[in-house]
Amino acid sequence: EAQVTQNPRYLITVTGKKLTVTCSQNMNHEYMSWYRQDPGLGLRQIYYSMNVEVTDKGDVPEGYKVSRKEKRNFPLILESPSPNQTSLYFCASSPFRGEGNYGYTFGSGTRLTVV
Amino acid sequence: GQNIDQPTEMTATEGAIVQINCTYQTSGFNGLFWYQQHAGEAPTFLSYNVLDGLEEKGRFSSFLSRSKGYSYLLLKELQMKDSASYLCAVNQAGTALIFGKGTTLSVSS
Repeated sequence: EAQVTQNPRYLITVTGKKLTVTCSQNMNHEYMSWYRQDPGLGLRQIYYSMNVEVTDKGDVPEGYKVSRKEKRNFPLILESPSPNQTSLYFCASSPFRGEGNYGYTFGSGTRLTVV
Repeated sequence: GQNIDQPTEMTATEGAIVQINCTYQTSGFNGLFWYQQHAGEAPTFLSYNVLDGLEEKGRFSSFLSRSKGYSYLLLKELQMKDSASYLCAVNQAGTALIFGKGTTLSVSS
């Protein structure tokens, strides 16, 4: 089944403790992206990647890191999480930058709480 | 700059028709998407417009006017399961999908 898999689905952590949210897609998509979703603010892009070893900042990259060493994986790293990073996170992938009648395929989401 | 506006909330009754509007201002345009998102779930793709006009897909239709920076999503024969958030997103050429804040639609019987 074609899908984007995120783990974990839920995570509660403490301020300053490094964490990684994994994202993997099995559709051979070139383009992958991370979003966070907060009430009243909608989906905001954190980072995106157009291909292996190519990543770029989105609208809200502060406090996050990403890497794209393989085409299928695009982990999101929080080196020192803070409470303002409490949010619902989505990973998404697309054949190429979301162009054409493809859109994004989203993962199921990761609800992160930083206390 | 970039700006995508859509109403925050809408209500409708079962069997009715509802139109959700979206206006956008972006630097570069490469298509407009509509997504449906049920509470706590991932967004799912509904429609895509890149040329002016109406795209129909079953009970859902989407319209685009590039000159006016305007789109709408039309939902016919509303069902209770259509209660969800509807997200308008613009493909900003060369970068990414930029999302509006979403419209929460409540369908009552």
